[in-house]
Amino acid sequence: DAGVTQSPTHLIKTRGQHVTLRCSPISGHKSVSWYQQVLGQGPQFIFQYYEKEERGRGNFPDRFSARQFPNYSSELNVNALLLGDSALYLCASSPGDLPGEQYFGPGTRLTVT
Amino acid sequence: QKEVEQNSGPLSVPEGAIASLNCTYSDRGSQSFFWYRQYSGKSPELIMFIYSNGDKEDGRFTAQLNKASQYVSLLIRDSQPSDSATYLCAVRNDMRFGAGTRLTVKP
Repeated sequence: DAGVTQSPTHLIKTRGQHVTLRCSPISGHKSVSWYQQVLGQGPQFIFQYYEKEERGRGNFPDRFSARQFPNYSSELNVNALLLGDSALYLCASSPGDLPGEQYFGPGTRLTVT
Repeated sequence: QKEVEQNSGPLSVPEGAIASLNCTYSDRGSQSFFWYRQYSGKSPELIMFIYSNGDKEDGRFTAQLNKASQYVSLLIRDSQPSDSATYLCAVRNDMRFGAGTRLTVKP
């Protein structure tokens, strides 16, 4: 079975621009979570969606938003990019609404210049 | 501020030894705990999860949970060079991760 997929793999953007990252969960998984990981730190929780509803939100500004589609895939949008948004963005899926037993995708490396 | 703390390491052990990784957490209401392995440049990979006090074994890995003392540990027996990675501890309640412990297993 295919694992979690994310696109694009790498992305370079300029300060002030907007970015959309995409994620497809493991087949049968209904929950998707998004994380930001900067070098040397653990992943920081951004959002969790289950059955197209937001179930959790981390301590990130309103520039960050997300949504989940009927096929359970998800998008993470970041507006007005800052240099500090440069990071690895990870998507994780889990079968139920509790996010613990999560399986991560390969991530999207975002560089903001 | 809820915290998940790990010793950043690096922790270095010889091949065949037992590697012991520790994690403490501040939220006494935490229910579920997870260990992930992350190779350099890769995404985290789920190794084990534990919900109840005591030990849980899976192959060479043993997770230990002590809710009274608010710590969870991961033991890796017969360590192999392929175990060299960063090990992340995570707490489910708000999916907070520690910063990870970098483990090096020397041949």
